[in-house]
Amino acid sequence: ILNVEQSPQSLHVQEGDSTNFTCSFPSSNFYALHWYRWETAKSPEALFVMTLNGDEKKKGRISATLNTKEGYSYLYIKGSQPEDSATYLCAPSGTASKLTFGTGTRLQVTL
Amino acid sequence: DVKVTQSSRYLVKRTGEKVFLECVQDMDHENMFWYRQDPGLGLRLIYFSYDVKMKEKGDIPEGYSVSREKKERFSLILESASTNQTSMYLCASSVTRFRTDTQYFGPGTRLTVL
Repeated sequence: ILNVEQSPQSLHVQEGDSTNFTCSFPSSNFYALHWYRWETAKSPEALFVMTLNGDEKKKGRISATLNTKEGYSYLYIKGSQPEDSATYLCAPSGTASKLTFGTGTRLQVTL
Repeated sequence: DVKVTQSSRYLVKRTGEKVFLECVQDMDHENMFWYRQDPGLGLRLIYFSYDVKMKEKGDIPEGYSVSREKKERFSLILESASTNQTSMYLCASSVTRFRTDTQYFGPGTRLTVL
């Protein structure tokens, strides 16, 4: 089982703040890194899939970077809004096609 | 849009009962997965299936079995439910087994075993 760590566990920011989270994973046997957003009472939804070292992905105010050599990915949210409140999960895939999820970063954005 | 549905949102069962959790996807996906989610532990993979009648153990298969008789349906079976199986169960599917494929999740079933 891959050891996937996400930090911080939870985060509370004000509307308009920018924030970032970290996902750490083993760099050996790495193939792809997935980011998901999971809002309360909804299903987890995919944000990004990244495979190459130095990859950057962007979706609106959310972006992510990937460092496969050192085994980490950052997720950034610019100008947080209340609708960004959710748990953000990362999941690397290795030699098998299954994903190993981290425990997530729970973000709460207040007015 | 991909749709993954699960048979119940909430379920309460007694210790020792046989429990069936059903999952259906409507997009002809090859892969289907069952996870459980517990506070502080994240999503953990129980079983997955690459094709009809195929199944593979995930990270925590003990106490569970699965059935995939049709491509669109993947069932999780608790042969004799125990209190430590109280959890949120999520089903997911993906188009193929490529490691970059997005998984699409159902809404989850919150199971309580008394």
